[in-house]
Amino acid sequence: EIVLTQSPGTLSLSPGERATLSCRAGQTISSKSLAWYQQRPGQAPRLLIYDTSIRTTGIPDRFSGSGSGTDFTLTISRLEPEDFAVYYCHQYGGSPRHSFGQGTKLEIK
Amino acid sequence: EVQLVESGGGLVEPGGSLRLSCAGSGFPFTAAWMNWVRQAPGKGLEWVGRIKSKTDSGSIDYAAPVRGRFIISRDDSKDTLYLQMNSLRNDDTGVYYCTTRNGPYGDLPIDYWGQGTLVTVSS
Repeated sequence: EIVLTQSPGTLSLSPGERATLSCRAGQTISSKSLAWYQQRPGQAPRLLIYDTSIRTTGIPDRFSGSGSGTDFTLTISRLEPEDFAVYYCHQYGGSPRHSFGQGTKLEIK
Repeated sequence: EVQLVESGGGLVEPGGSLRLSCAGSGFPFTAAWMNWVRQAPGKGLEWVGRIKSKTDSGSIDYAAPVRGRFIISRDDSKDTLYLQMNSLRNDDTGVYYCTTRNGPYGDLPIDYWGQGTLVTVSS
C-alpha cells in the first residue's frame, strides 16, 4: 500500500514569501502518478498540478511541482492572500488505486 | 459545465445503513470512471472507492476500511452514481464527495468534485 506523508503539518508564512511543501511516498511512484490539490475552508478540493509538474488550466505560474521517486514538492513562489489553505498530495494508479497525504495547512504568519 | 450533485446524507446510528446518490451532468457519464472520496470533520481526504465505466469492464475497487461494507454502483440510464453504506461505524462520519474527470478516463487525477454530502454516524 502506497502511503503518502506530507510535511510540515502546518506552515506559517507571510504574503510574498516562498512556500515549500513536501510529500513523501512510502515506495517509489511514477512521476506521472502524483498530483496536488488546494482546499479552502468549506470548499471542495481543487486540482492544481498533476503528473508531478503540470499545472491545470488556470492555475497561476507561481505554483510549481517537482520531484521523483519518493520525494515530491509543491512550491508557491510568492504567496498571495488567497493561497492560504490546505494542500494535499495524491497518488493515482497505484495500490490502493488512489491515496492522499494527510495535508499541509498553509496559514498566515 | 460539469456538475456532480450528491444527496442522501444524514444522521444514522452505528450499525445502520445509508445510500448516497450522485447525479452527473455536463459530461459523458456512461464513459466516466467515478470515485467516492470522503473527509472526516477537520481531517484529510480519504479515497473510498472507484467504479469503471461499463465499457472498461465496470469493475470496482474499494479502500481497505470500507471493503465488504460499502457497495458502489451506477445507473447509466439515469447518469447516477450510488454508494450503499452498510454496517456503519462512528469513524465513517464525514463529508462524502462524488468525483470524476472529463476524459481521458482511468485512475488519473480528479478534475471534478461535487459539493459533498454529510454523513453522521452517531447514537
